[in-house]
Amino acid sequence: QLQLQESGPGLVKPLETLSLTCTVSGGSISSSSYYWGWIRQPPGKGLEWIGSMYYSGSTYYNPSLKSRATISVDTSKNQFSLKLSPVTAADTAVYYCARQDIHGSGSYSYWGQGTLVTVSS
Amino acid sequence: DIQMTQSPSTLSASIGDRVTITCRASQSISSWLAWYQQKPGKAPKLLIYKASSLESGVPLRFSGSGSGTEFTLTISSLQPDDFATYYCQQYNSYPYTFGQGTKLEIK
Repeated sequence: QLQLQESGPGLVKPLETLSLTCTVSGGSISSSSYYWGWIRQPPGKGLEWIGSMYYSGSTYYNPSLKSRATISVDTSKNQFSLKLSPVTAADTAVYYCARQDIHGSGSYSYWGQGTLVTVSS
Repeated sequence: DIQMTQSPSTLSASIGDRVTITCRASQSISSWLAWYQQKPGKAPKLLIYKASSLESGVPLRFSGSGSGTEFTLTISSLQPDDFATYYCQQYNSYPYTFGQGTKLEIK
């Protein structure tokens, strides 16, 4: 059974870098059938797509983040990561990693449980 | 960016009711639309993909329809477990975008 697990600091200071890792178990991140994405949800609000990556390293980002986001992959550890810099209080949110099935549903069928990141001094 | 607009924002209904949630896209997205259910403190769960295909394991009371710019999610007979927030999402083009959500409450 595929599982995704987010990890990283729960508190980040303004103007610093938010760094999160998604560890994938029960499946290979190097499969050509999937994109791997990050989605976030501010407290009490809706969902915002941050970006996606393919195992080869191709990436796509939400322009609303104004080039602050970077998604990378470590195939040896079966992990992919998100860096967001610099952060402000508006980046406080639950961050989810998820798998997009290219050849099947085309949408996000597997999600991590989410991790809350608070931006505060 | 493609804007996704859901209506209503809140819906009050009773067990056994048939309910419909609408999602409109600001431009055509063909059938590249998904519906998710989210409960408090949990990750979204995929219900419907490609506008009308039911994800494996999702009860048959859930159905989706539409194409182009108008889409609907229908629950044929509400069950206690269905009270949650529902989101539509387009994956026709980047950046992917979500509707603002519809909170389904018990009347």
